[in-house]
Amino acid sequence: GEDVEQSLFLSVREGDSSVINCTYTDSSSTYLYWYKQEPGAGLQLLTYIFSNMDMKQDQRLTVLLNKKDKHLSLRIADTQTGDSAIYFCAESLQTGANNLFFGTGTRLTVIP
Amino acid sequence: EAGVVQSPRYKIIEKKQPVAFWCNPISGHNTLYWYRQNLGQGPELLIRYENEEAVDDSQLPKDRFSAERLKGVDSTLKIQPAELGDSAVYLCASSLENIQYFGAGTRLSVL
Repeated sequence: GEDVEQSLFLSVREGDSSVINCTYTDSSSTYLYWYKQEPGAGLQLLTYIFSNMDMKQDQRLTVLLNKKDKHLSLRIADTQTGDSAIYFCAESLQTGANNLFFGTGTRLTVIP
Repeated sequence: EAGVVQSPRYKIIEKKQPVAFWCNPISGHNTLYWYRQNLGQGPELLIRYENEEAVDDSQLPKDRFSAERLKGVDSTLKIQPAELGDSAVYLCASSLENIQYFGAGTRLSVL
């Protein structure tokens, strides 16, 4: 079955880069996503990458995908206190109306 | 444009009572999802609708959970009777193609 794993916690100092890692098991993943969840809120889509890509950059966010190792990472440049949240990695296995399989989330704490 | 709207935001009930959650997806989104998020976990799919048809309800505990999307727009998720283990955040999402947009969720506490 689908298994998406993330480390639980990450702490960085304001202004440093953050790197959040994710591994998944299903090689038939089509899209991989990063969502952000702030306390008491729903999930906010940050970015996503199609499985035939290996990198995507969007302002302060860089997504790297290593299909061979089934490893996905999210790099946040110049991390700010407002970036403190839980970050979820998710994969979908088919195009169109896809079901998402989420990791357990990584809690990012930014230290001023 | 309004996002996915869920109500209520919070609900506290005693065990064995019924409870219902409501979701209004983004206009034009044919696909609607209900997820459950337990504390410290990622969301897990309960049911997916394509218009008014439930196309994937394999993870929905059908003995006590039910859902409907009668006109293919808004949806309700019901639990009857609720159990202590049902305490969680219930998230609704909608999508047009490959991107799912989530509502703020309903936090259910069963006492």
